[in-house]
Amino acid sequence: AQSVTQPDIHITVSEGASLELRCNYSYGATPYLFWYVQSPGQGLQLLLKYFSGDTLVQGIKGFEAEFKRSQSSFNLRKPSVHWSDAAEYFCAVQYAGGTSYGKLTFGQGTILTVHP
Amino acid sequence: ETGVTQTPRHLVMGMTNKKSLKCEQHLGHNAMYWYKQSAKKPLELMFVYNFKEQTENNSVPSRFSPECPNSSHLFLHLHTLQPEDSALYLCASSPTGRGGPGEQYFGPGTRLTVT
Repeated sequence: AQSVTQPDIHITVSEGASLELRCNYSYGATPYLFWYVQSPGQGLQLLLKYFSGDTLVQGIKGFEAEFKRSQSSFNLRKPSVHWSDAAEYFCAVQYAGGTSYGKLTFGQGTILTVHP
Repeated sequence: ETGVTQTPRHLVMGMTNKKSLKCEQHLGHNAMYWYKQSAKKPLELMFVYNFKEQTENNSVPSRFSPECPNSSHLFLHLHTLQPEDSALYLCASSPTGRGGPGEQYFGPGTRLTVT
């Protein structure tokens, strides 16, 4: 079964510092990969997605992610974190075809705390 | 309104009550989803609808009953719930759920508390 692992449950960074959130997915052909962000009491907002092509994808709010097939990873990065980035971040994978019907499998989430 | 909306935002119900959650999407999408988000657990997919037809039921107990009268509206009917059903219920939609790539757009969720 497809699975997603986010090894870090909680990360704390200082405002202005760089950020990398890790995501590994179970091996499978043609994964479609996503990062979502969730603020407390809110739904999930799409940050970025990878379907094909350039393995470095840009998203909203200054985030980017790099797809590395050899490592089954899709890590999220931001060069300089802002206090408003404090939230929970979810990595998700989707596989094409079959009877998956667009099913998204989510990781456990990483809570980001930003210190002033 | 734009995007995906959910009502009510908060709901407290007793174990013998019957209530319904409503989701509406204004994006022209053809697929809609119900997810359950519990504390310290990954998001759990509950149901998938494509073009009003249920295409996935992820072993959800029968006390949860979905309804999709058209591609824009999705309901989750609740009855005789248990305290462990307390969670954030999220609705999402996507252009199509037929196995192709497609991001899902989420509503703000309904925070359900079962007493």
